[in-house]
Parts: sequence; C-alpha cells; structure tokens
Amino acid sequence: NAGVTQTPKFQVLKTGQSMTLQCAQDMNHEYMSWYRQDPGMGLRLIHYSVGAGITDQGEVPNGYNVSRSTTEDFPLRLLSAAPSQTSVYFCASSYSGLAGGPGTDTQYFGPGTRLTVL
Amino acid sequence: RKEVEQDPGPFNVPEGATVAFNCTYSNSASQSFFWYRQDCRKEPKLLMSVYSSGNEDGRFTAQLNRASQYISLLIRDSKLSDSATYLCVVNMGAGSYQLTFGKGTKLSVIP
Repeated sequence: NAGVTQTPKFQVLKTGQSMTLQCAQDMNHEYMSWYRQDPGMGLRLIHYSVGAGITDQGEVPNGYNVSRSTTEDFPLRLLSAAPSQTSVYFCASSYSGLAGGPGTDTQYFGPGTRLTVL
Repeated sequence: RKEVEQDPGPFNVPEGATVAFNCTYSNSASQSFFWYRQDCRKEPKLLMSVYSSGNEDGRFTAQLNRASQYISLLIRDSKLSDSATYLCVVNMGAGSYQLTFGKGTKLSVIP
C-alpha cells in the first residue's frame, strides 16, 4: 500500500491564482481531512469528509473548497490564493473519524505540500 | 482559551534520561486522546493512543487524567532517535470528527 499520497510536494503561486492540491489514499478509509500547519500554530483542520459525497468544514475553511467523489480522492482547491495561505498542507485519512475502538481513528498523514503564495 | 495546551520546550535531555510531557485539554466531553510524533519537515505519525487505564509501549508510557483533563507521555531511557516534536491530540467530543492538535513539545536528546 502506498498509504496517503499528496501532490505536488512544493508549489509557488502568485496572489489570485487558483490551484488544486491532490490527495489520495489506498487503504479504503472512509474519513479524510485536510490540515494546514503554520509555525507556532499547530495543525488546524480545514475541511473533512466522512465518506464519498459528504464533506464538512473544519476550523479554518475560508478560501478553500473540497469535494469527495470517490473514497480514494480528496482534493483541496484554493480559489484565489493569498499570502496568508502560505503554509504546509497535510492530508490525512482514517478508517473511521469517530472513536470506534483502538486503531479505527488513527490518522495517517500524507507527506505534505509546501505552498508559498507571493 | 486554548483547547489543547502543551509546553513548547525545547526539552534538551541527555541520552538515557527519562523525560515527561504533559498536555491539558479544555473539552470535558473529549473521548479520544493521542500522542503523535513529528520529525522535522515530515508528517505527523501516531506514537500511541491514550486509554483511560493508561498504556505502555516499550519505553513509552501514556496516562490520562480525566478529572484534571490532562494527558502525559513518559519516555524512559531516551535515545537520540527520540528527538522530534511530540503532538498532543484530542477529539472535540462525543460524536465529533474533529481533532484538535496541540502546538507540540520539542525534544532534543543529546549525546
């Protein structure tokens, strides 16, 4: 299993550009999520999905869109990039998002995308 | 009020030392508790889940105190490879899919 994969690894955008960060998992996990990590801030949840066709907002959703058309893929779209979106973005998946017993809510993270917005 | 608080450190300890980290959380309805490890410029990885009865995995011991709303991580016989940032993670409460991450505690084990 490849686990959770993310592309691209690095990206530089200009203010106002749009782009999609890709995330895929091959573990048949129902729950997927996107976080951003900024220095001194810890990881913050952007959006999450509990299954194909179902998405919801996290703590910092503004400026981002998501969709979940398949179990495997959970892309994150930046609509109009701003310098405040410069960050490291992590995608994560788990068998279940809820406390369903040992291991079921373990989050597996992708390697991250380092995004700089100029 | 911050929901998950950790001492950011850094904790600089010699090899072989025992080191302990604490983490406090504000949501009394939280049900799931974890310690994740994050190496520099890498993704977080689960170190261990924290159960009500406490749990141990080799040199690592995690404890949960629901009454005082804190969890702890004890590392015995520290190795150089233990150098990393340790993240305290708590779910938002019963039925919640949202996890809250602490900002992390940085550990450096020195020869």
